[in-house]
Amino acid sequence: DGGITQSPKYLFRKEGQNVTLSCEQNLNHDAMYWYRQDPGQGLRLIYYSQIVNDFQKGDIAEGYSVSREKKESFPLTVTSAQKNPTAFYLCASSPQQGASTDTQYFGPGTRLTVL
Amino acid sequence: QKEVEQDPGPLSVPEGAIVSLNCTYSNSAFQYFMWYRQYSRKGPELLMYTYSSGNKEDGRFTAQVDKSSKYISLFIRDSQPSDSATYLCAMTRISSGSARQLTFGSGTQLTVLP
Repeated sequence: DGGITQSPKYLFRKEGQNVTLSCEQNLNHDAMYWYRQDPGQGLRLIYYSQIVNDFQKGDIAEGYSVSREKKESFPLTVTSAQKNPTAFYLCASSPQQGASTDTQYFGPGTRLTVL
Repeated sequence: QKEVEQDPGPLSVPEGAIVSLNCTYSNSAFQYFMWYRQYSRKGPELLMYTYSSGNKEDGRFTAQVDKSSKYISLFIRDSQPSDSATYLCAMTRISSGSARQLTFGSGTQLTVLP
């Protein structure tokens, strides 16, 4: 059963803590992305990666970090430097070759709440 | 001014109605256009993808692009209660083969009443 999985579904963090959100895909996609979604603001790009061991900052990378050690995995760490981390986090992936390179496929999301 | 503007709604229609959802954009570099559907507390799912001006049909859904006016639309015919969701438009620039950065609208919340 191919797709993108994210865990956990819900995550609670105390102020000052770092937390890591998991994203795994078995679609054999080269590119992976992390977005943040806030009410009324659509999706905003945090980081993206085109290939293993390479990643680029998106529009709102401050306070976040990522790694891409395996093609299938792209974890996101929300650090204590992120001032307003409560949001819905979405991971996506897309193929690099072929006609569907423009389309991104999304995981089910992780809802992070800071207590 | 945002690059992509989308009326947030909420929009309520009776079952069977034709729904029109719209986005405008300011950057003429956008060439590829997508519509995603997002159910509450779920990830977005791709509905339609198009890159040329004109209409593209898929079942009850029609995507329309007017690049001269920088305006895209999604029409839903014979709307069903199961169509109740938030609809997001997204677009990207001409590809160079590398990972694409999508620019999203803020989403329109649609409710189809039985």
